[in-house]
Amino acid sequence: GQQVMQIPQYQHVQEGEDFTTYCNSSTTLSNIQWYKQRPGGHPVFLIQLVKSGEVKKQKRLTFQFGEAKKNSSLHITATQTTDVGTYFCAGRDYSGSARQLTFGSGTQLTVLP
Amino acid sequence: ETGVTQTPRHLVMGMTNKKSLKCEQHLGHNAMYWYKQSAKKPLELMFVYSLEERVENNSVPSRFSPECPNSSHLFLHLHTLQPEDSALYLCASSPDGTGGTEAFFGQGTRLTVV
Repeated sequence: GQQVMQIPQYQHVQEGEDFTTYCNSSTTLSNIQWYKQRPGGHPVFLIQLVKSGEVKKQKRLTFQFGEAKKNSSLHITATQTTDVGTYFCAGRDYSGSARQLTFGSGTQLTVLP
Repeated sequence: ETGVTQTPRHLVMGMTNKKSLKCEQHLGHNAMYWYKQSAKKPLELMFVYSLEERVENNSVPSRFSPECPNSSHLFLHLHTLQPEDSALYLCASSPDGTGGTEAFFGQGTRLTVV
């Protein structure tokens, strides 16, 4: 079945440093979504990427979808303490055999003041 | 406030108990989901309902029984659970059940089985 792997599992950064998390799928994806879960909270949707090679920005966050639509990344520039949380990617298999999203295991980001 | 409300927020139950988790969405969505979130594991999809019909059941043990009486309400009935079933149970909804639209999550029910 489809697998979505995310690295790193944990990341500690000093406030102001950049941060990147990577998502890799075992199959080609039709779309990929990113979610953020604050400590003690629930996942909150950040963005969806659909097109090959797509890049989207939200203030300090940059999201990329690979040309082969099998990988994606989230980059945060100049992290702030408000960025703390776990970032999940979730992809849908292109073949349509799995109609639902498969979530990665997440990257837990800690930002040290 | 996400528009998806889960109750209770916390639940402690014995292995012989029967309890139910409730989820309600006020977003007019057609699809609702149950996910299980355990420590250090990815979100696991348990059940998907689209237009009140179950469209996917990812090999979940029969001690978990979902019910979707209408497109706004979703229940998860629990009976004879095991300690390893302790986890955060998240309900979500989306406009459709294809996996191509944004999912809105509730705040979850933290379940502890003793």
